Amino acid sequence: AQKITQTQPGMFVQEKEAVTLDCTYDTSDPSYGLFWYKQPSSGEMIFLIYQGSYDQQNATEGRYSLNFQKARKSANLVISASQLGDSAMYFCAMREGPGGGADGLTFGKGTHLIIQP
Amino acid sequence: NAGVTQTPKFRVLKTGQSMTLLCAQDMNHEYMYWYRQDPGMGLRLIHYSVGEGTTAKGEVPDGYNVSRLKKQNFLLGLESAAPSQTSVYFCASRLGVATSTDTQYFGPGTRLTVL
Repeated sequence: AQKITQTQPGMFVQEKEAVTLDCTYDTSDPSYGLFWYKQPSSGEMIFLIYQGSYDQQNATEGRYSLNFQKARKSANLVISASQLGDSAMYFCAMREGPGGGADGLTFGKGTHLIIQP
Repeated sequence: NAGVTQTPKFRVLKTGQSMTLLCAQDMNHEYMYWYRQDPGMGLRLIHYSVGEGTTAKGEVPDGYNVSRLKKQNFLLGLESAAPSQTSVYFCASRLGVATSTDTQYFGPGTRLTVL
């Protein structure tokens, strides 16, 4: 079974609209972290936002927020007021175990977001 | 402050050739990682290191070897390249402390083609 599932291979959104990118995860570990990365066409991986499994509040970073629903095992990324520069691949990723653990990240297959003017 | 750098940026190999990819970080991070990204896929972990002189296998380690002789460098080796190793390779590092903000920072990637 996939540990990270992103069900939207591609999305087209009008500029200035809000965008929600879906991510569901599967783990039996009570301690884990969820990450979102942006990969523009230039190829680099840019960290956007982090949510810990014990965090009580949803994470926010500027125009990015994470809609964390622990019981549903979902961690959707919300981008408010989308911009043309938001066009990119977006990856959801998970690290299982406590924050100090060395485990690498498990990535979903990504969502290709295209912002239209 | 260069962050995470990777050398080379591009490489074309013939089947059976060997090569080494170099990752360097100047952030004094303890943990370092090598991932590969294939078309239409997310990144998959190849090997990682929790400190100088240590290495461990990730999800897809076969056909690769790694070494971490210096804290700031993490080398990925292909002893006998195969077409299935055509991919984009990313190195990442993180500080290695038990804080929720200890995220991984990625290098720019190396695009490797094996003919």
